[in-house]
Amino acid sequence: EDQVTQSPEALRLQEGESSSLNCSYTVSGLRGLFWYRQDPGKGPEFLFTLYSAGEEKEKERLKATLTKKESFLHITAPKPEDSATYLCAVQAETPLVFGKGTRLSVIA
Amino acid sequence: ETGVTQSPTHLIKTRGQQVTLRCSSQSGHNTVSWYQQALGQGPQFIFQYYREEENGRGNFPPRFSGLQFPNYSSELNVNALELDDSALYLCASSLSTSLGETQYFGPGTRLLVL
Repeated sequence: EDQVTQSPEALRLQEGESSSLNCSYTVSGLRGLFWYRQDPGKGPEFLFTLYSAGEEKEKERLKATLTKKESFLHITAPKPEDSATYLCAVQAETPLVFGKGTRLSVIA
Repeated sequence: ETGVTQSPTHLIKTRGQQVTLRCSSQSGHNTVSWYQQALGQGPQFIFQYYREEENGRGNFPPRFSGLQFPNYSSELNVNALELDDSALYLCASSLSTSLGETQYFGPGTRLLVL
């Protein structure tokens, strides 16, 4: 059974304090790993798709990396507007399987 | 904004009632997937529709059913509502059913069952 575990569950950062979110996964035959951002009461907003170990993608203050067992979402010099829940999902021979998310709070 | 729209935004029903939720996919997308997201959890796959046919189903009972129309819009129907059906229902569209294809989500419908 495909499984996704995200850590930490919640993270509180000061503005400008860089950190990383972790997504560990167990799948047979990964076809894609996806990162989404979700604001309270809204639908997930697509951030990145990673397909193979060693792949990296960047967007503004966010950088996603992928290994054979986990993915990291690095946040450099975060701002209060980066506060949200970040969801990781994997796809193998099945539909998307999501983790529970990491709730990020960035304090000014 | 993804171009995926859902209606209604909020809904309150009582136990035993039936509900229909609607989704319009992003222009050019022929695949729609539905997810249920309980508070504090990640979205859980309900089912997927491709060119009006069901193309996969998650671990949800038959009282959860769906339709996809020729214009690729979709409906999620839930019969005999239970209290545990209270959740955010998300629709996602994609260009195809290909594995690794990115899915783009709508804003969701918040359902409360009393």
